[in-house]
Amino acid sequence: GAVVSQHPSWVICKSGTSVKIECRSLDFQATTMFWYRQFPKQSLMLMATSNEGSKATYEQGVEKDKFLINHASLTLSTLTVTSAHPEDSSFYICSASPPRDFNEQFFGPGTRLTVL
Amino acid sequence: DQQVKQNSPSLSVQEGRISILNCDYTNSMFDYFLWYKKYPAEGPTFLISISSIKDKNEDGRFTVFLNKSAKHLSLHIVPSQPGDSAVYFCAALDTGTASKLTFGTGTRLQVTL
Repeated sequence: GAVVSQHPSWVICKSGTSVKIECRSLDFQATTMFWYRQFPKQSLMLMATSNEGSKATYEQGVEKDKFLINHASLTLSTLTVTSAHPEDSSFYICSASPPRDFNEQFFGPGTRLTVL
Repeated sequence: DQQVKQNSPSLSVQEGRISILNCDYTNSMFDYFLWYKKYPAEGPTFLISISSIKDKNEDGRFTVFLNKSAKHLSLHIVPSQPGDSAVYFCAALDTGTASKLTFGTGTRLQVTL
């Protein structure tokens, strides 16, 4: 199956700093990638849809200026958590759909963010 | 508003028996459904999917049933194995719009020896 990677897998940062998370589709080109957030024992919540070459589409309640998304190429999308605070601590997961199968998404392994 | 619900947060099944995980949805525009398996601190892994034009899809030990009139789907795992122990999420999407998955809340399956 298609492979999606994320980097880093785990990051700890101080409150007020910014953290960048990368999502890469390794063996296919993805015009659309998705960013999810999961709180402990809860469902995956879609944060935004990342479109290559254009602005991301954010879900209601997600702060655009807080969670900056850049989809610079067909294989890379980045999520930057700006001025992170402890409440931003969570598990962030990206996914991408192969170009011929929009109904299926392949997920990255996730990034655990802890803000002190 | 939780459009996809998994009302059983956990399920325990003996090895070799059948595991049945249930999922209900409210949005009648959903026409494609997927099941994912997830381990802690990992991304979800795709298991099986079903289109609304079908009522059953089978792949090895996994079978998904869809009852559109009841807005209900279920995942059957037969026979259950200890390696199946994980959290299972159902997800739905409206293929007429963007490919945005709406996830259920998950069911933790534990397969005991």
